[in-house]
Amino acid sequence: SAVISQKPSRDICQRGTSLTIQCQVDSQVTMMFWYRQQPGQSLTLIATANQGSEATYESGFVIDKFPISRPNLTFSTLTVSNMSPEDSSIYLCSVAPALEAFFGQGTRLTVV
Amino acid sequence: EDKVVQSPLSLVVHEGDTVTLNCSYEVTNFRSLLWYKQEKKAPTFLFMLTSSGIEKKSGRLSSILDKKELFSILNITATQTGDSAVYLCAVGSTSGTYKYIFGTGTRLKVLA
Repeated sequence: SAVISQKPSRDICQRGTSLTIQCQVDSQVTMMFWYRQQPGQSLTLIATANQGSEATYESGFVIDKFPISRPNLTFSTLTVSNMSPEDSSIYLCSVAPALEAFFGQGTRLTVV
Repeated sequence: EDKVVQSPLSLVVHEGDTVTLNCSYEVTNFRSLLWYKQEKKAPTFLFMLTSSGIEKKSGRLSSILDKKELFSILNITATQTGDSAVYLCAVGSTSGTYKYIFGTGTRLKVLA
């Protein structure tokens, strides 16, 4: 199993600003996943972050809007840039060391 | 395009009822199917299924996978109000990078 510490737990931000979400894992993992869950919707994969290489973004998500860092095998950050109210969502990081995906506690972001 | 579809979208039952949640998928390079319970932000893991016909069981919850017909079911017997949550189905795929495709979720409400 894996334990993921994600922060902040929640934030209320002004439109046009940026927020960086951090995830720390208690073990080394090759891939970390970042998801968005809009109100009433399921989880949508934003990108997969590998240590030492550029993140792989899913269709509809771009690096300028959601830059990701992965400086080592236990840590990653996701930045939500130039926020608008449409970015209000829950953001989740996840790891899957052995086919079973584990999640951080989630960040509830509200953009006003 | 890969997709995971859950049904019903929502369900209201009374305590003691038995419920069956469905998950069908069309995913290339299938590796695993996972069930999660989401009450607040972070999904909590219930089951991982990789082989057809083998039932996984944990207390009042059980699940089975049919890889020929491409679906899985999650059964909850003797439901309790604490079972009220969104139940998510996710399929792991090695198409391109390894990733999980999540279904729409089933919102279950158990009335006392």
